[in-house]
Amino acid sequence: DIQMTQSPASLSASLGETVSIECLASEGISNDLAWYQQKSGKSPQLLIYAASRLQDGVPSRFSGSGSGTRYSLKISGMQPEDEADYFCQQSYKYPPTFGSGTKLEIK
Amino acid sequence: EIQLQESGPGLVKPSQSLSLTCSVTGYTITSGYDWSWIRKFPGNKMEWMGYISYSGSTNYNPSLKSRISITRDTSKNQFFLQLNSVTTEDTATYYCARMWDDGTFAYWGQGTLVTVSS
Repeated sequence: DIQMTQSPASLSASLGETVSIECLASEGISNDLAWYQQKSGKSPQLLIYAASRLQDGVPSRFSGSGSGTRYSLKISGMQPEDEADYFCQQSYKYPPTFGSGTKLEIK
Repeated sequence: EIQLQESGPGLVKPSQSLSLTCSVTGYTITSGYDWSWIRKFPGNKMEWMGYISYSGSTNYNPSLKSRISITRDTSKNQFFLQLNSVTTEDTATYYCARMWDDGTFAYWGQGTLVTVSS
């Protein structure tokens, strides 16, 4: 299976701050990478697919980038509603595998 | 709008079978896409368990292949998870989700916590 190493495990940010979360795949995944947001007690919400494409309805402060084995999610200007867990997922090879998650809190 | 809702027992004894139902509204599961089960363990590790396709074919995570079965009832627009011989390590929140053609999950149920304990 492709291993997804996500960092950091936790992060605190001030309102308006720009934050980045990274995922490193154990092999190249050809941009088949998605990012999800999960708020406490809620189901995951798809933010980004194909490494950099914004899902409909997702605020433009969220962006994704990367290639090969390294991918990142950036939030440009932390908002209160962005406090959540974030995780990545590769869909390049079966089985789909997930990163271990990043807990993002407001400082 | 498409909605998915998991249901089933919240407590299962070790060595027994875990059975969950995913009820889908707003989309007919035979119209397209693959319908997955995903679980999130305490500590946040997530695992894709398998899917049943719109045509009825299945694909399972090799790590579970000997214990898992995903079936469906098209008349009720539901699909099901059965996981046999459970242990305490199967304690998790179980989600059903619709998988896009690109392998991402745009629609999820709210999740149901299943605890395996005697």
